[in-house]
Amino acid sequence: EVQLVESGGGLVQPGRSLRLSCAASGFTFDDFAMNWVRQAPGKGLVWVSGITWNSGSIGYADSVKGRFTISRDNAKNSLYLQMNSLRAEDTALYYCARSHDYSLHGAHFDYWGQGTLVSVSS
Amino acid sequence: QSALTQPPSASGSPGQSVTISCTGTSSDVGGYNYVSWYQQHPGKAPKLMIYEVSKRPSGVPDRFSGSKSGNTASLTVSGLQAEDEADYYCTSYAGSNNFVFGTGTKVTVL
Repeated sequence: EVQLVESGGGLVQPGRSLRLSCAASGFTFDDFAMNWVRQAPGKGLVWVSGITWNSGSIGYADSVKGRFTISRDNAKNSLYLQMNSLRAEDTALYYCARSHDYSLHGAHFDYWGQGTLVSVSS
Repeated sequence: QSALTQPPSASGSPGQSVTISCTGTSSDVGGYNYVSWYQQHPGKAPKLMIYEVSKRPSGVPDRFSGSKSGNTASLTVSGLQAEDEADYYCTSYAGSNNFVFGTGTKVTVL
């Protein structure tokens, strides 16, 4: 059974940093690209970032480019999101989502975690 | 990277059909046959319902269908059932390893 379990969320002050993790199990992690998608309270889904199977290609939404860094450790079956210079508008539930294959090109997201909540407030 | 435009709400009685539109540009919806649709019940993670415009993953009822014309994609739910009441989001590949989601549509079963 495919499982994606996010962790690392919490309350953080504006301008500070936070690192999210996503632990994957039930599939061969390094066969698939991975993504982060967020959802602000009461709002819609927003794609944040994606990374191919071997970290060779990475994409970011304009709203996080230069502040967030996605990475993965295939030996640990884990996906990460380093979030720096956090803003109030980054407050959201952050989902880890698996792409359907190794590439980001034309991907759809076939498995999702339950999310980890990030709150940015002073 | 502007969000794709969806109607805020749609509704239908049990057994009826409802169609949700998803309008983008030639840089996303119109430029690629990589539109997917997700269903999200309150407090739950999204679930893939349609991928590559019109393909259904295993286990998704054939009451769900997708199509595309130009810069607008559509999701149709036929034979509405109570459990179809949820939020629905489209997303499209937008080139250069980027994706854009729609604004979301709340479907109500009357």
